Amino acid sequence: SAVISQKPSRDICQRGTSLTIQCQVDSQVTMMFWYRQQPGQSLTLIATANQGSEATYESGFVIDKFPISRPNLTFSTLTVSNMSPEDSSIYLCSVSGGTSNTDTQYFGPGTRLTVL
Amino acid sequence: GENVEQHPSTLSVQEGDSAVIKCTYSDSASNYFPWYKQELGKRPQLIIDIRSNVGEKKDQRIAVTLNKTAKHFSLHITETQPEDSAVYFCAVGGSGYSTLTFGKGTMLLVSP
Repeated sequence: SAVISQKPSRDICQRGTSLTIQCQVDSQVTMMFWYRQQPGQSLTLIATANQGSEATYESGFVIDKFPISRPNLTFSTLTVSNMSPEDSSIYLCSVSGGTSNTDTQYFGPGTRLTVL
Repeated sequence: GENVEQHPSTLSVQEGDSAVIKCTYSDSASNYFPWYKQELGKRPQLIIDIRSNVGEKKDQRIAVTLNKTAKHFSLHITETQPEDSAVYFCAVGGSGYSTLTFGKGTMLLVSP
């Protein structure tokens, strides 16, 4: 499966600021997704990052709060804007559609965000 | 949208026992059912998956069964070991490059 990396691995931020998280894959993939995992909780899909077009957001998530970019088939960014303590969470990217399979999703290592 | 229920939320077994985790889903059009294992502080790792044209799939000590009529599927772990201790998530997806809906997770604790 593809090797997926995320930067930063963790960060502590002040409320009102923004943080951009990067997801890099070592090979081209069709789909890239962004999830949030709050402490002790399940994974909630934020959006699907579409290459060359606007991301598709799930109910409860909006572009102004979570702008997403996907400039090519190996890279995506998620920005958490105007942060509040409620945004403290682990943010994970996942990918599918690489050379090995179609819809199987593989996850990056995650970014642990703490907002003070 | 899809609704996924996962039970139990916690499961404690003795080493060597079997463990079973069950999930139900609501959308009869769903046809992809993966299971992920997440150890503390780590990313979710795919351990097994099944598609709707198959009723059962096995990989060593792990098996998944699917009942499409009843809209439920289960993860079976035999001869459990302490290293099986983790949180297990079921998920449900559609065809092609669809999104996944996750269950709330089951914390499995295997005691030596």
